[in-house]
Amino acid sequence: EAQVTQNPRYLITVTGKKLTVTCSQNMNHEYMSWYRQDPGLGLRQIYYSMNVEVTDKGDVPEGYKVSRKEKRNFPLILESPSPNQTSLYFCASRKTDTQYFGPGTRLTVL
Amino acid sequence: GESVGLHLPTLSVQEGDNSIINCAYSNSASDYFIWYKQESGKGPQFIIDIRSNMDKRQGQRVTVLLNKTVKHLSLQIAATQPGDSAVYFCAVTMNSGGYQKVTFGTGTKLQVIP
Repeated sequence: EAQVTQNPRYLITVTGKKLTVTCSQNMNHEYMSWYRQDPGLGLRQIYYSMNVEVTDKGDVPEGYKVSRKEKRNFPLILESPSPNQTSLYFCASRKTDTQYFGPGTRLTVL
Repeated sequence: GESVGLHLPTLSVQEGDNSIINCAYSNSASDYFIWYKQESGKGPQFIIDIRSNMDKRQGQRVTVLLNKTVKHLSLQIAATQPGDSAVYFCAVTMNSGGYQKVTFGTGTKLQVIP
């Protein structure tokens, strides 16, 4: 089954404790991206990757890092999480125009 | 840039009636539009798309209308069912320096009354 998977689905952590949210797709898509979704706001892009070893900032990259060492995986790294990074995070991938989203990771930073 | 708005936060519809959800965008250079459905606890799911060279596209029980003159698009759901209850939002795409810039609307929560 073609899908985008994320782990963990839920995470509660404390300020400053480094964390990584993994994302994997099995569709051999070159383009992958990370979004955050907050109440009253549309999805906002954090980072995107056009291909392996090619990443770039989206609209809200501050406080986040990503890596793309292989085509299927695109982890999101929060080196020092802060409460304003409490949000619902989605990973997505696409080949042409249509993006396919993962199930989301709900992160709470205390 | 692009801004996307004019979603009604909530729309309540009787089961069996038709639903219309609206979206407005600001940049006339936007050329590709998608509607997504997001059920509680899940990621957004593609419903239907339309390109700027069309003004109407139909799928199964869904129709998207695009009015480029007023920069408005709508999603129509025929014979709304309880399973249609979800948040619906549009995504507007514009080519910007060789990169596809996507802007998402905030969404309309569709509540289907049995």
